[in-house]
Amino acid sequence: GEDVEQSLFLSVREGDSSVINCTYTDSSSTYLYWYKQEPGAGLQLLTYIFSNMDMKQDQRLTVLLNKKDKHLSLRIADTQTGDSAIYFCADLILTGGGNKLTFGTGTQLKVEL
Amino acid sequence: EADIYQTPRYLVIGTGKKITLECSQTMGHDKMYWYQQDPGMELHLIHYSYGVNSTEKGDLSSESTVSRIRTEHFPLTLESARPSHTSQYLCASSDISDRPGYGYTFGSGTRLTVV
Repeated sequence: GEDVEQSLFLSVREGDSSVINCTYTDSSSTYLYWYKQEPGAGLQLLTYIFSNMDMKQDQRLTVLLNKKDKHLSLRIADTQTGDSAIYFCADLILTGGGNKLTFGTGTQLKVEL
Repeated sequence: EADIYQTPRYLVIGTGKKITLECSQTMGHDKMYWYQQDPGMELHLIHYSYGVNSTEKGDLSSESTVSRIRTEHFPLTLESARPSHTSQYLCASSDISDRPGYGYTFGSGTRLTVV
């Protein structure tokens, strides 16, 4: 089955950029997503990228996709304390039997003053 | 406003009790999912449904059961709760086949503690 991997922790200083990385194994992924989970809450969709794109920018967020290496990253510019959360990448594989989103292991981002 | 609701938000219950975690969505989504989330963050799919009267087991074996009698409602039941069931349970829904850019929509979760 599909494997989606992320590093467990990232610590940055307020105002710096954060880069959260994700690798996946299935080359038939069609859409890739980034979700944010704040403490005690559900997952909130931040952004997504279609697999035929290599970059997408949305305000402070930049998503980079290297399809050849099956590598996805999320860059958060000017990181704030409110960005402290767990970040999940996920990829969508379209199948005849039903479309399935596979989530990564999650990266805990800690923003320090 | 279209949304997905989980109740209760927190539940502390004794071993051996039967519990039902509720999940309802007002978006008319056919697909619904239950995830169990470890304290270590990882999400595990335990059940999913592609429509009324359709339920399937997910990637992680679970002693819980689900039902889908109405499109908007996808409750999860534990017949006899045990301390090993202590976890965060997240419900989600989607119409990802038609609108993949929206991904899954998640509820706020139920944090279950079995003592």
